[in-house]
Amino acid sequence: DQQVKQNSPSLSVQEGRISILNCDYTNSMFDYFLWYKKYPAEGPTFLISISSIKDKNEDGRFTVFLNKSAKHLSLHIVPSQPGDSAVYFCAASADGRDDKIIFGKGTRLHILP
Amino acid sequence: DVKVTQSSRYLVKRTGEKVFLECVQDMDHENMFWYRQDPGLGLRLIYFSYDVKMKEKGDIPEGYSVSREKKERFSLILESASTNQTSMYLCASRGGGGGGYNEQFFGPGTRLTVL
Repeated sequence: DQQVKQNSPSLSVQEGRISILNCDYTNSMFDYFLWYKKYPAEGPTFLISISSIKDKNEDGRFTVFLNKSAKHLSLHIVPSQPGDSAVYFCAASADGRDDKIIFGKGTRLHILP
Repeated sequence: DVKVTQSSRYLVKRTGEKVFLECVQDMDHENMFWYRQDPGLGLRLIYFSYDVKMKEKGDIPEGYSVSREKKERFSLILESASTNQTSMYLCASRGGGGGGYNEQFFGPGTRLTVL
């Protein structure tokens, strides 16, 4: 059972426009959500996170929105730049003894010139 | 500058060989993780450790074991490599408490090919 779902394997967006990456989760115990960015042949790097007590967190061009009732979060990138082309992983965790973070399968973002 | 290093970027082994993948972090983190990444499957947790000499199974531990003798080092062992263990292996570490509590820092990955 996939607890964190990224239903779009890939997404193409024109440079300068907004990129919106979506993520759904099923476990209501998740209370912390993260986005990671991964370039080929490199490890993922942390991008932005949000606690379940918030519904929005912003960091420069990146904003994450959380809709707890819908169990949905999204990452907005504005404006999109060529260096944003990468695979983006959504991840979720439930605080407590279990230290696992559950990752989605990733969405490959292509920024078109 | 935080750093997680992995012993090899690329590794080619033969079926049945014993394989050691080493990971070292310099952030004095308690928690360390081993994942594998496969196309269409995302990151899957193999094992993790929350302290020296402690280990917990992740989602796909079969065919793997781990060793954590020192806080900074977490080793993944393939007892008898098989072709279905051809994958990208990623090590990560995470501190406990404070800001960015759940952020994991990843190493560059080891691309393992088993022939």
